[in-house]
Amino acid sequence: AQSVTQLGSHVSVSEGALVLLRCNYSSSVPPYLFWYVQYPNQGLQLLLKYTSAATLVKGINGFEAEFKKSETSFHLTKPSAHMSDAAEYFCAVSPANTGNQFYFGTGTSLTVIP
Amino acid sequence: GAVVSQHPSWVICKSGTSVKIECRSLDFQATTMFWYRQFPKQSLMLMATSNEGSKATYEQGVEKDKFLINHASLTLSTLTVTSAHPEDSSFYICSARRGVGNQPQHFGDGTRLSIL
Repeated sequence: AQSVTQLGSHVSVSEGALVLLRCNYSSSVPPYLFWYVQYPNQGLQLLLKYTSAATLVKGINGFEAEFKKSETSFHLTKPSAHMSDAAEYFCAVSPANTGNQFYFGTGTSLTVIP
Repeated sequence: GAVVSQHPSWVICKSGTSVKIECRSLDFQATTMFWYRQFPKQSLMLMATSNEGSKATYEQGVEKDKFLINHASLTLSTLTVTSAHPEDSSFYICSARRGVGNQPQHFGDGTRLSIL
């Protein structure tokens, strides 16, 4: 069975500090992986995706994520947090060998402290 | 590209009213559209998956007769909340996908439904 785990439902960082949001998946076959951001009262916006090309993926707004097969992880990072990064972040997986399944993590709320 | 428009963004109506929410993929053809419900500070709860021209596949516990989904074309899906009651108040989000596997879902901006 496929699952995705986001460790830490709440993360607080100071403005200018490193942002690290964790995502681990469980799958015998490496899936496709996605990070989304959700601002209050809005839908989800795609930040980046891993689709079995480069393991280090760069996304929008200065975010990037690295796929590590040995750790079954796809953590999201940003070198320097901005106030505007405060939002809810969701990791999602799509199995590589099946149809329409798409699994979301429980989300991580990022707070940026001035 | 990959813009999804969801309308309306806010609805306030009386108990017993039926409410229709539209989801349109503006610049691509969506093979699949998804409807989610989201409670405050929680993750997305998948309600149903729909493919154009087919009956929607509902998740366990979601009432088919309560939440009617129509996917009339490759760019339009609608969710109708029939005879809405206060417990149906929530944030509803649609998404569209143009393929499977490595294709992401693209989301609308959501609809805040409040039933008085």
